[in-house]
Amino acid sequence: NAGVMQNPRHLVRRRGQEARLRCSPMKGHSHVYWYRQLPEEGLKFMVYLQKENIIDESGMPKERFSAEFPKEGPSILRIQQVVRGDSAAYFCASSPPTGGPNQPQHFGDGTRLSIL
Amino acid sequence: RKEVEQDPGPFNVPEGATVAFNCTYSNSASQSFFWYRQDCRKEPKLLMSVYSSGNEDGRFTAQLNRASQYISLLIRDSKLSDSATYLCVTGTASKLTFGTGTRLQVTL
Repeated sequence: NAGVMQNPRHLVRRRGQEARLRCSPMKGHSHVYWYRQLPEEGLKFMVYLQKENIIDESGMPKERFSAEFPKEGPSILRIQQVVRGDSAAYFCASSPPTGGPNQPQHFGDGTRLSIL
Repeated sequence: RKEVEQDPGPFNVPEGATVAFNCTYSNSASQSFFWYRQDCRKEPKLLMSVYSSGNEDGRFTAQLNRASQYISLLIRDSKLSDSATYLCVTGTASKLTFGTGTRLQVTL
């Protein structure tokens, strides 16, 4: 399966712990996007990355959240000192190198984060 | 005001019915437009891109009115498998913006 791969599918953390979510884009895709979906709500854009660059992080909370897409390996969304309000589904999407976000984006299965 | 507005529904229709969803967007800088569908607790999947000239894909027809900032989706001959949440999506140079979705339930 050459689709967008996210892991883990489910992640449980206690308040104050760190959560690391991983995303490998589709083969040939170099643009990665992270979205958050709270229960009964729509997807909210968080961050747009290319290899080693953050292009747009206007949707990222100012504190505790960070994202990277290193030269080698998957993109990582990191949440430090998690709180109950961080419980959500986190989706990663990717798109090809040409056209950027105006291209359709292909989504991974998501990571369901639960904070105890 | 939300950047992309949709009627949340639910729309309950019998199999074989025709159903239409509408969506309005507020960002005049939007450059691309899509309909995605999302099944319960699953990832969004691209249904179709939307072009100014209107476009059709089988039973699905999408229309875009840039002057009114309005997007529509028409589903003909509804199937049970069409039951899902339909997300109206706009794109700018840096990101996609999703509506909260319209729920469709197709019944026997």
